[in-house]
Amino acid sequence: AQKITQTQPGMFVQEKEAVTLDCTYDTSDPSYGLFWYKQPSSGEMIFLIYQGSYDQQNATEGRYSLNFQKARKSANLVISASQLGDSAMYFCAMRNPYSTLTFGKGTMLLVSP
Amino acid sequence: SQTIHQWPATLVQPVGSPLSLECTVEGTSNPNLYWYRQAAGRGLQLLFYSVGIGQISSEVPQNLSASRPQDRQFILSSKKLLLSDSGFYLCAWSVRNRPRGAGVENEQFFGPGTRLTVL
Repeated sequence: AQKITQTQPGMFVQEKEAVTLDCTYDTSDPSYGLFWYKQPSSGEMIFLIYQGSYDQQNATEGRYSLNFQKARKSANLVISASQLGDSAMYFCAMRNPYSTLTFGKGTMLLVSP
Repeated sequence: SQTIHQWPATLVQPVGSPLSLECTVEGTSNPNLYWYRQAAGRGLQLLFYSVGIGQISSEVPQNLSASRPQDRQFILSSKKLLLSDSGFYLCAWSVRNRPRGAGVENEQFFGPGTRLTVL
């Protein structure tokens, strides 16, 4: 069975600083995909970044980058130059063999001025 | 462009009453469709997914059911709601059978959600 673990219930960061949100995963499938989603207070789920298990390089999307360490089974999200609008819940997820997603419990990020 | 709609946005229902939540997708065809539930302060739990009309897979046994009467319509139902059914229900879609190497595999696009309170 696949499992996603996010050990940080909440994180605080000051505006313009970088922050790392942790995610570890467990799977026996040699081919998998890892996703990060952002959920602001409005409830919508916003896709941020994707990392395929066979991708040679760490994924980057603007201020978001994914620190993918396959041997350690970790896929941490790095947000550079935090903005007030980054305050939200962040979920790590893994693609299952049947194209569904398994989500972690999430990390609440609060960005202060 | 593709859009996904859910209604109602908010619902308050008494225990034991029926439920019907609707999700529709526009701008794509043959999507995979998903229902998730998010309890307060928790992650998302997959409830049902569908790869085609009339094809429903259930992830968690419970008093909820799902149906897909049309290609781009996904309905979540219950005959009798329980208090534990309260939560935020999210519908999502993804491209079916996207070839490997064609970019993000199975990225799921989420609807705005329905917030259900069972009293």
